[in-house]
Amino acid sequence: GAGVSQSPSNKVTEKGKDVELRCDPISGHTALYWYRQSLGQGLEFLIYFQGNSAPDKSGLPSDRFSAERTGGSVSTLTIQRTQQEDSAVYLCASSFTGSGNTIYFGEGSWLTVV
Amino acid sequence: RKEVEQDPGPFNVPEGATVAFNCTYSNSASQSFFWYRQDCRKEPKLLMSVYSSGNEDGRFTAQLNRASQYISLLIRDSKLSDSATYLCVVNKEDTGRRALTFGSGTRLQVQP
Repeated sequence: GAGVSQSPSNKVTEKGKDVELRCDPISGHTALYWYRQSLGQGLEFLIYFQGNSAPDKSGLPSDRFSAERTGGSVSTLTIQRTQQEDSAVYLCASSFTGSGNTIYFGEGSWLTVV
Repeated sequence: RKEVEQDPGPFNVPEGATVAFNCTYSNSASQSFFWYRQDCRKEPKLLMSVYSSGNEDGRFTAQLNRASQYISLLIRDSKLSDSATYLCVVNKEDTGRRALTFGSGTRLQVQP
């Protein structure tokens, strides 16, 4: 597709279960971001991938969170042993390399932990 | 001090009003600037880039003041459909490190 694609769009999981969220960036985009947004709150940075560089993981809130990006394209965000406070929308974004390039967001994966 | 600061609002204005938002940033090495719009329960979408000389797109005008480290967004003749949260975004290229910083947004409510 033409835009950033995320799946699943909605996920309800039980506390303690693991979840995987997928992001398929725009073709050719080397930069990929994961953000989290709780209802009514601002965007919380999680992790940033840029080409073959080591990812910037400085935003991951705990060691239950991890992400990888295979082949410089698709990324997976994994949350282990989910907690209720993990409930949020997880937004993926991508862009070309370079600070002036527009960042495009996917529609997000809405996670509810019950 | 936050890297990017915005007044959260809400700004409640009548239709047809002119409204302006400011956003300040702390990193003087920042290189590019954007305004994004986010509707309720939707993803952020680019509204406009902000250029050094200032730029206009219809009813929207963006300005950058590097000396004082702020950017602004002016909306003229507000429409009901302008109701949304406006996010200020600052970007600095820095290999391997996250360069993009979002403000927490300013909420605008245009009333009939």
